[in-house]
Amino acid sequence: RKEVEQDPGPFNVPEGATVAFNCTYSNSASQSFFWYRQDCRKEPKLLMSVYSSGNEDGRFTAQLNRASQYISLLIRDSKLSDSATYLCVLTNNAGNMLTFGGGTRLMVKP
Amino acid sequence: DGGITQSPKYLFRKEGQNVTLSCEQNLNHDAMYWYRQDPGQGLRLIYYSQIVNDFQKGDIAEGYSVSREKKESFPLTVTSAQKNPTAFYLCASSPQGAGAYEQYFGPGTRLTVT
Repeated sequence: RKEVEQDPGPFNVPEGATVAFNCTYSNSASQSFFWYRQDCRKEPKLLMSVYSSGNEDGRFTAQLNRASQYISLLIRDSKLSDSATYLCVLTNNAGNMLTFGGGTRLMVKP
Repeated sequence: DGGITQSPKYLFRKEGQNVTLSCEQNLNHDAMYWYRQDPGQGLRLIYYSQIVNDFQKGDIAEGYSVSREKKESFPLTVTSAQKNPTAFYLCASSPQGAGAYEQYFGPGTRLTVT
């Protein structure tokens, strides 16, 4: 089993739609969780951290379920500019290394 | 402006040649990392360094070498021993040696070996 699993997509959605991605992980001792965004042929950039209580940043909401070992990202009112690959990222037991999922590709169409 | 620079953006080499990828940061970060990314796959850690003159192997270090003589610089050499060197190489840094937290990435180098 991969350490971090994501549906590669692509998820094709119309502008204004709500879309959600899930990510499952195998290391129950992982300390911290993040969503990174990667545009085509560019470097990844941190989108948001994920907290156990759930957190929201504008149109983006992230949730962590430690019991089931998954995290989720919800994007409301999708924009064309949201088209990208979303990487699920978590730290190792010691909290000093990152493990990256393969990413979920989102394509928002007009 | 503070950031991480990688050069060149695109690099082409013949099989059997060693090649060195540059990574420089002026963020005053202690830790630096090298990853490779293949199509449809996540980033895989090649080497990392948490302090000057010290570095550790990551998950896929075979066929690669690094040095960390200066805090700002962490060059990666792809040797002829690397069986599948064609990939997108990303360098990153983070502000704490002991905690990855947010990693800041350079723009990457696309290496093609034929």
